[in-house]
Amino acid sequence: RKEVEQDPGPFNVPEGATVAFNCTYSNSASQSFFWYRQDCRKEPKLLMSVYSSGNEDGRFTAQLNRASQYISLLIRDSKLSDSATYLCALMTTDSWGKFQFGAGTQVVVTP
Amino acid sequence: EAGVAQSPRYKIIEKRQSVAFWCNPISGHATLYWYQQILGQGPKLLIQFQNNGVVDDSQLPKDRFSAERLKGVDSTLKIQPAKLEDSAVYLCASSLVPRRDTYEQYFGPGTRLTVT
Repeated sequence: RKEVEQDPGPFNVPEGATVAFNCTYSNSASQSFFWYRQDCRKEPKLLMSVYSSGNEDGRFTAQLNRASQYISLLIRDSKLSDSATYLCALMTTDSWGKFQFGAGTQVVVTP
Repeated sequence: EAGVAQSPRYKIIEKRQSVAFWCNPISGHATLYWYQQILGQGPKLLIQFQNNGVVDDSQLPKDRFSAERLKGVDSTLKIQPAKLEDSAVYLCASSLVPRRDTYEQYFGPGTRLTVT
C-alpha cells in the first residue's frame, strides 16, 4: 500500500459548484499535512497547511480525520482558475522536514 | 523576494550521457531539497540538505546520481550515466529550518529532462 494515496480523477466540476476529494495515508505517525496546487508544467505551490483538525482559507477548506487517516480538501464556488492538480503532502514525527507526496488529484472546472 | 532559481529549464540528452542541474535557493533558507517528478506522479524526494550537510539521501540512486551543496547555498544534482527512466522533472525546493508549528517549502520551476 502506498504511504499517501489520492484519487487521480479527473474531477469534472461545473463552475460555481463544490468539489471535495480525499487523501489517505498509512503512517499513523503522520503529523503535519499540506495541500499543494500544481498547474500543468509548473511547480507545486502551497495552498494550505493543516497542523490540527482542519483549516479554512476563503473557498478552500481542509479537514483532517486522524482516526480514519485521511485529509480532505473542499473547494466551494469553483472557478475556472481552480483547474489544476492538487497534491497532498505529509510529514511524520520521525522524519521532520521530509515530505511525502501523493500522486495528485486532477480537477477540471468547466464553464 | 526572489524565488528558487533552477537551470537549465529543459535538457535533452541521450542515454549514458551525463547531465547536471543547478539550484539557487531563496536567500536565508537553510534547507534544500531535490525532488524527481515523473509524469503522473507526485514529487519524490531524492536528497535533503541542511546547510551543506546531507539530512536524507535514502532515495537517491547513488550509483548514478550525486548532489552537493557547497558553502550551504547553491546546489548541483548530477546524473551519470543517464537512463531512459530518468526522464522526469527535477524540482529543487528550499525552506527555513522546519518547525513543528509552521513550515513551508518553496519550489523552483524545475528542469525537464528527456533521455532518449
